[in-house]
Amino acid sequence: AQTVTQSQPEMSVQEAETVTLSCTYDTSESNYYLFWYKQPPSRQMILVIRQEAYKQQNATENRFSVNFQKAAKSFSLKISDSQLGDTAMYFCAFMRGNEKLTFGTGTRLTIIP
Amino acid sequence: DAMVIQNPRYQVTQFGKPVTLSCSQTLNHNVMYWYQQKSSQAPKLLFHYYDKDFNNEADTPDNFQSRRPNTSFCFLDIRSPGLGDAAMYLCATSRRGAGNTEAFFGQGTRLTVV
Repeated sequence: AQTVTQSQPEMSVQEAETVTLSCTYDTSESNYYLFWYKQPPSRQMILVIRQEAYKQQNATENRFSVNFQKAAKSFSLKISDSQLGDTAMYFCAFMRGNEKLTFGTGTRLTIIP
Repeated sequence: DAMVIQNPRYQVTQFGKPVTLSCSQTLNHNVMYWYQQKSSQAPKLLFHYYDKDFNNEADTPDNFQSRRPNTSFCFLDIRSPGLGDAAMYLCATSRRGAGNTEAFFGQGTRLTVV
């Protein structure tokens, strides 16, 4: 079974700073997808960024980028120029080619004004 | 523009009284998931449908059932809710096959058991 580990239960950072959230996973598969989801307080879970395992290039979406280290099974999320609206729970998630989405335990990120 | 819609947003039910939560989607995705999320925890998959094929997680209690009458709709039935079933229930969809997509989530239904 696949497992996803987020070792930082909580983090906080000053507005406009850069923060990196860690995620490691365990799988014997070679074909899979990795995601970071954001869940603001009392709001909908939304996708932040997605990475296909077969792509060597790290995904980027505006202020959000990942550091995907396939051999190390590491998938960290970097948020640049953090904003108050980035305050949320962030979940790292794994999906095998045709299987279910498995979540990590989450990191509660607080952006301090 | 809502793509995955869950109703109701908030549901209060009595201990032991059957309750049904609903989910609809406009994405025409072939997979629909039901997750249970308790406070400050990761979502836990209960089951999912791939088209009409039902896939139950091994540790999902028998108290939880699901129906998918067509592509657009999926229901979560809790036959005899207990206090421990109070949680946020999330519906999600994805497309499985050529060009898999990420999961799209609804806003969730917060279930309170009294």
